[in-house]
Parts: sequence; structure tokens; C-alpha cells
Amino acid sequence: DTGVSQNPRHKITKRGQNVTFRCDPISEHNRLYWYRQTLGQGPEFLTYFQNEAQLEKSRLLSDRFSAERPKGSFSTLEIQRTEQGDSAMYLCASSQPSKPYGYTFGSGTRLTVV
Amino acid sequence: GQQLNQSPQSMFIQEGEDVSMNCTSSSIFNTWLWYKQDPGEGPVLLIALYKAGELTSNGRLTAQFGITRKDSFLNISASIPSDVGIYFCAGPNSGGSNYKLTFGKGTLLTVNP
Repeated sequence: DTGVSQNPRHKITKRGQNVTFRCDPISEHNRLYWYRQTLGQGPEFLTYFQNEAQLEKSRLLSDRFSAERPKGSFSTLEIQRTEQGDSAMYLCASSQPSKPYGYTFGSGTRLTVV
Repeated sequence: GQQLNQSPQSMFIQEGEDVSMNCTSSSIFNTWLWYKQDPGEGPVLLIALYKAGELTSNGRLTAQFGITRKDSFLNISASIPSDVGIYFCAGPNSGGSNYKLTFGKGTLLTVNP
């Protein structure tokens, strides 16, 4: 088990471009979370999947953001028409039913919008 | 929404010293978690607390779940250089069964060898 894998680790994009990030959770974990972290802050909840169902989205997740988890395995987070304010670390985490708060985080994708 | 206040914001200590940091909330939490984040990495779970008054250790780390359920403490004994990082407390966001977490802003720990 290699833990939670996120790709890419870093992404630099021009304002207005679309970007997509991928997260591969631990295989037996049915819950998958996306969080966003800006400098000097703790992670903030964006969205949550249980298996393939997206069960909650934060108000932080504007209509430019979309997340999917086809077949309940990997997940993607897409940001359309990126803005400078989207620059942040995007963290993915997964957890199993027996330890719902025992998240395992990935190393994150650092997005810089220029 | 719920907010977690961590103090101190940062600490500079000498190797071998003990460290104490805390986390407070205006609302009651039923679970407290402590994470450590190294630069450029995701947070790693250190200790989870599930019961008021609970005291749990993980090596040189000890955490306590406050009796009021509105605070928690993390202590690190005999600090070493690899303890450097940001320590976050976290608790379940109110309502629902989605197990999402609210995080504090973190305590940045620097250990001078």
C-alpha cells in the first residue's frame, strides 16, 4: 500500500486556463475528501465522496470547480477558468469506515496561477 | 462556523526541550485530532482523542482531550530536530455523518540543534 497519491505535485498555469488534479486513495478506503490549504492556514474542506457518490460540497467550491470519483476509485478535481485566488495547495485524503476521522492525506498538488 | 484557535502561533526551542501547545474552541467537540505537516507534504495524523479527559501518548507525544470538550493539548518531550513542522489540531465539523474536519491555523515549531 503506497498511501494516497496525488498528481501532479506542482502545477503552474496562466489565469483563465483549466486544470485537473488526480487523487488515488488507499484502495480499501471508501471515503475521499478534497481540502484546500493556503499559506498560514489549516486545510479547509472542499468536498467529500463516499464510494462514487459526491455527498457534500463546501461553499468554497464555486461553479468553476468540479470533482468526480468514477467507480469509487480515483478522483479528479477540475478548476475551470482559473483565477489568481485559486493558488493554493489542494489536498486529497481518504479514510476507512472503521476509522472515519483517521484521514490519510496525500502530499498535495501545489497550484500557482500566474 | 466552527473555529479552532491554536496557540502559540509559533515556537522556537532548543533540542531536548519539552514543548506544549493547545487548541481551543467555542463549541464542543466529540473528537480531537492532532496532525503534523512537513514542508511540501500533506498532514500526518499523530494522535486521535475520542473521550473527554482522555490522555493518549504516541512515543514522545502526549495529547489530552479537555474535560470541557472545548480544548485539547499536545505535548512533545525531549524535542529533536525532526520535530520541526506545523502542528494542527482538528475536530469534526458540526452536523451530518460526512466526517469532515475543521482545522486550526497551526503551530509552527522550530527546533534548534
